[in-house]
Amino acid sequence: QQQVKQSPQSLIVQKGGISIINCAYENTAFDYFPWYQQFPGKGPALLIAIRPDVSEKKEGRFTISFNKSAKQFSLHIMDSQPGDSATYFCAASIGETSGSRLTFGEGTQLTVNP
Amino acid sequence: DTAVSQTPKYLVTQMGNDKSIKCEQNLGHDTMYWYKQDSKKFLKIMFSYNNKELIINETVPNRFSPKSPDKAHLNLHINSLELGDSAVYFCASSQALHSNQPQHFGDGTRLSIL
Repeated sequence: QQQVKQSPQSLIVQKGGISIINCAYENTAFDYFPWYQQFPGKGPALLIAIRPDVSEKKEGRFTISFNKSAKQFSLHIMDSQPGDSATYFCAASIGETSGSRLTFGEGTQLTVNP
Repeated sequence: DTAVSQTPKYLVTQMGNDKSIKCEQNLGHDTMYWYKQDSKKFLKIMFSYNNKELIINETVPNRFSPKSPDKAHLNLHINSLELGDSAVYFCASSQALHSNQPQHFGDGTRLSIL
């Protein structure tokens, strides 16, 4: 049972373009939605996160858009750069009682061409 | 300074052997985790510990036994290794057992079973 579904599986964008990765979740008890970035040979690193009481969060070139009624959230990378080429994971978790269990999406391999 | 460090980085061994992976965090965090990333890069939680107490045991075979000697360390021992255990294992830590606490990942241990 995959509780967080992520698309697309892979994405190729030209330098300067906008990269958009989408996620959908099933469990309405999720209350924290982070995005992680993973480079080859490295562990995932937190990029940006949002709580469901906010519809958008922006940090530099990275923006999360959150649609609670549709149970969807997305990552937008503006002015994409070759250095952004990595695997991106959306995730979701439920409060303290679940022990901060992160449920990850399947990942999106982003390639930004120069 | 490496925040979450795992040893070894690579582990190649025969089926049926027993092996251990060590994890240490120097962030002063209370909560530590083990995740498994399969060949398709799917990340799934295995265990979490809070202040040396087991919080999550995510239906992992009992051949896997985590041990937390203190808050800064969470080791993973695997008995009778099987071919399906081949994966990258990530250790992570977070400040506390709350859903809005970022998780910091190590760079992983790539386990290959021959």
